[in-house]
Amino acid sequence: DAGVIQSPRHEVTEMGQEVTLRCKPISGHDYLFWYRQTMMRGLELLIYFNNNVPIDDSGMPEDRFSAKMPNASFSTLKIQPSEPRDSAVYFCASSSDLDRKDGYTFGSGTRLTVV
Amino acid sequence: AQKVTQAQTEISVVEKEDVTLDCVYETRDTTYYLFWYKQPPSGELVFLIRRNSFDEQNEISGRYSWNFQKSTSSFNFTITASQVVDSAVYFCALSEPLGNTPLVFGKGTRLSVIA
Repeated sequence: DAGVIQSPRHEVTEMGQEVTLRCKPISGHDYLFWYRQTMMRGLELLIYFNNNVPIDDSGMPEDRFSAKMPNASFSTLKIQPSEPRDSAVYFCASSSDLDRKDGYTFGSGTRLTVV
Repeated sequence: AQKVTQAQTEISVVEKEDVTLDCVYETRDTTYYLFWYKQPPSGELVFLIRRNSFDEQNEISGRYSWNFQKSTSSFNFTITASQVVDSAVYFCALSEPLGNTPLVFGKGTRLSVIA
């Protein structure tokens, strides 16, 4: 089991550019979560999916953010256009259920810097 | 709405000291789960423990122990005889599975253990 795989690990982009973050969850996990970590706000849930269907996207900050899960093994988080305040570490996590005994499994994160 | 408060932003201790990290939570559900995660300097999020709302027994795992008290809505984490390798950011989190609410994190406590 390779764990949750996120790419890229680091992304530096210019303001106004489109950014796409990618996540491959653990096989068999029905839930996928996108979190954002900043110094000011800590770890915030952006959106989560169950069986590839978005369940709650109330944490998505603006229309510039969108997330998709076209199949059980892949999800993307897109920011278009990006802004400097989007700079953060974005984590993807997966789980077999909302209250899994061993918690959610997190990827290594994507550190996004928008200049 | 659910909320997790970690009032201690940063703690610094000398190696071999004991240290307690505080966590206070708010929830309206009677069924909920509490978690602690560790984020070492490398950045990944490491699951430490999950406790359900019906089990108030304290938990001990090596130098780590957790004290869950429903009367004060607290789930505190103690590290005994701290070591430099314990230096990390520690997050407390809450989930409410019956309300379909995934993990909500506190803002974290940064622990520095000085040799």
